[in-house]
Amino acid sequence: DTGVSQNPRHKITKRGQNVTFRCDPISEHNRLYWYRQTLGQGPEFLTYFQNEAQLEKSRLLSDRFSAERPKGSFSTLEIQRTEQGDSAMYLCASSLARTGDYGYTFGSGTRLTVV
Amino acid sequence: DQQVKQNSPSLSVQEGRISILNCDYTNSMFDYFLWYKKYPAEGPTFLISISSIKDKNEDGRFTVFLNKSAKHLSLHIVPSQPGDSAVYFCAASSRITDKLIFGTGTRLQVFP
Repeated sequence: DTGVSQNPRHKITKRGQNVTFRCDPISEHNRLYWYRQTLGQGPEFLTYFQNEAQLEKSRLLSDRFSAERPKGSFSTLEIQRTEQGDSAMYLCASSLARTGDYGYTFGSGTRLTVV
Repeated sequence: DQQVKQNSPSLSVQEGRISILNCDYTNSMFDYFLWYKKYPAEGPTFLISISSIKDKNEDGRFTVFLNKSAKHLSLHIVPSQPGDSAVYFCAASSRITDKLIFGTGTRLQVFP
């Protein structure tokens, strides 16, 4: 068990370009979450999956953002036509069951810088 | 609206003493509260949680207290160690949704 893996760790892109991030959850975890964290703030919920079904999306997730989890394993988060306001740490997490007593396990994140 | 609030952005404590981190919430539907610890360049790490039906949960040096009437919880670390220096986030979840709502964090520094 290598934990939650996120790639790339860092991404610098020009405004207007598309970017895609990948998250590999802990293998037996059926729930997968995406969060975004900006400086001085706590992580903000973006979306979550149970297996391959996307069960909830935040209104923070504009139509430029899309997430997928084909086959209920790894997930991708794509941002189209990036804007400077998209610069943030994008965190992925996974869990086996509802948050409850055990929380969920976060990856180390992908830091996006839009220039 | 900020449903989970951590009003102290930073806290400095001497090694061996008690660290107390505070968190307030507004949503009475929250049924689990969690504390996460975050080091620079790493994702948050789950520390301890408490169900809304309890008022205390203890795990080694870490104890979380919940006061539902005041909508307030606190994390006590005794004794504090230099390795505890990190940013601590309070988070909450409700029966309705599985997402966590995080506070803005408190940076704890434990000095020798």
